[in-house]
Amino acid sequence: GESVGLHLPTLSVQEGDNSIINCAYSNSASDYFIWYKQESGKGPQFIIDIRSNMDKRQGQRVTVLLNKTVKHLSLQIAATQPGDSAVYFCAENTDTGNQFYFGTGTSLTVIP
Amino acid sequence: DAGVTQSPTHLIKTRGQHVTLRCSPISGHKSVSWYQQVLGQGPQFIFQYYEKEERGRGNFPDRFSARQFPNYSSELNVNALLLGDSALYLCASSHRNYGYTFGSGTRLTVV
Repeated sequence: GESVGLHLPTLSVQEGDNSIINCAYSNSASDYFIWYKQESGKGPQFIIDIRSNMDKRQGQRVTVLLNKTVKHLSLQIAATQPGDSAVYFCAENTDTGNQFYFGTGTSLTVIP
Repeated sequence: DAGVTQSPTHLIKTRGQHVTLRCSPISGHKSVSWYQQVLGQGPQFIFQYYEKEERGRGNFPDRFSARQFPNYSSELNVNALLLGDSALYLCASSHRNYGYTFGSGTRLTVV
């Protein structure tokens, strides 16, 4: 079966520091990945996605890195702000698959 | 542009009752997926519909059913509610598997 897991269930960082959230996946056929941010009481919010033909993709203050060799995904948040405090999920799918598989999530707390 | 809208936002039901949850996708999105999120866990896939046809079903009992209407909105139905069905039910719309956008969810509490 599918398995998407995160290395650390909780992460605390100082405001202004960079954050790195990691994710391992087990399906080597997965070729599309999305990072979501979920605040309390809200639905998951799309942050950034990446396809397996890329190793890196950058957005505004966020960078996703994909290492297909070790089936590892990471989300880097630059200059972390209090508003970044949330649970972060990685989700994987195949290009023709009909569902995304989510990990348990990492809770990020930004300390002012 | 309106995002994915779900109704109701909160719902309390008694064990054994039936519930219907509704979802309106982003304009132009023909695919709707339903997920269940239990507190402290990631979302679990329930159904995907595309062009009114079921394209995928997760590991949920037959008490769970869904349908998609000609305007691409969707309903999720759950019969014979159990306490364990208490969760946040999320709807996501997409253009096939891209632009996967979630609504805010319906918080279902079964008592």
